[in-house]
Amino acid sequence: GAVVSQHPSWVICKSGTSVKIECRSLDFQATTMFWYRQFPKQSLMLMATSNEGSKATYEQGVEKDKFLINHASLTLSTLTVTSAHPEDSSFYICSARGQQNTGELFFGEGSRLTVL
Amino acid sequence: GESVGLHLPTLSVQEGDNSIINCAYSNSASDYFIWYKQESGKGPQFIIDIRSNMDKRQGQRVTVLLNKTVKHLSLQIAATQPGDSAVYFCAENKAGFQKLVFGTGTRLLVSP
Repeated sequence: GAVVSQHPSWVICKSGTSVKIECRSLDFQATTMFWYRQFPKQSLMLMATSNEGSKATYEQGVEKDKFLINHASLTLSTLTVTSAHPEDSSFYICSARGQQNTGELFFGEGSRLTVL
Repeated sequence: GESVGLHLPTLSVQEGDNSIINCAYSNSASDYFIWYKQESGKGPQFIIDIRSNMDKRQGQRVTVLLNKTVKHLSLQIAATQPGDSAVYFCAENKAGFQKLVFGTGTRLLVSP
């Protein structure tokens, strides 16, 4: 099946710094990518939907200036957590949908962010 | 956010038993449903999907049942194996919308 890769798989940073997480579709072109956040023992919460070449659509309650999303190409979307704080520590997961828009999403392996 | 679970219910079964995991979805306009398996520290893995024009779909060792009347989805795993131990999430997609909304997960524990 299609492969979606996230990098880094885990990152530790100091409070106040910014962290960038990359999401790449390795063997298909993804017109739409989604970013999810998952706290321990909880479900995945959709943060935003990004379409290649346009601004991301953020879910209610998600700060767009805090979580910067860029989807500059059909194979890469990035999530930047700006001025990270300990409460931003979480598991961030991206998913991608191909150009065929068949409905199936392909998920990355997730990136665990720990803010000290 | 939507459908954020606060606690994960747990289903404990013995190896070889059949497992049934249930999910109540929220939107009657949803027309596409997916079950995912998530192992610790990993992203969700697609198991099986079903569209709203069907009420049952079978895969290898798995069956998904959809009851639109009561907005209920279930995942049946036959001959459950220790490797099936994971958290299982249902997800729904509303017709005409791109995004997928996840339900509260269920942790499946399979004892040898």
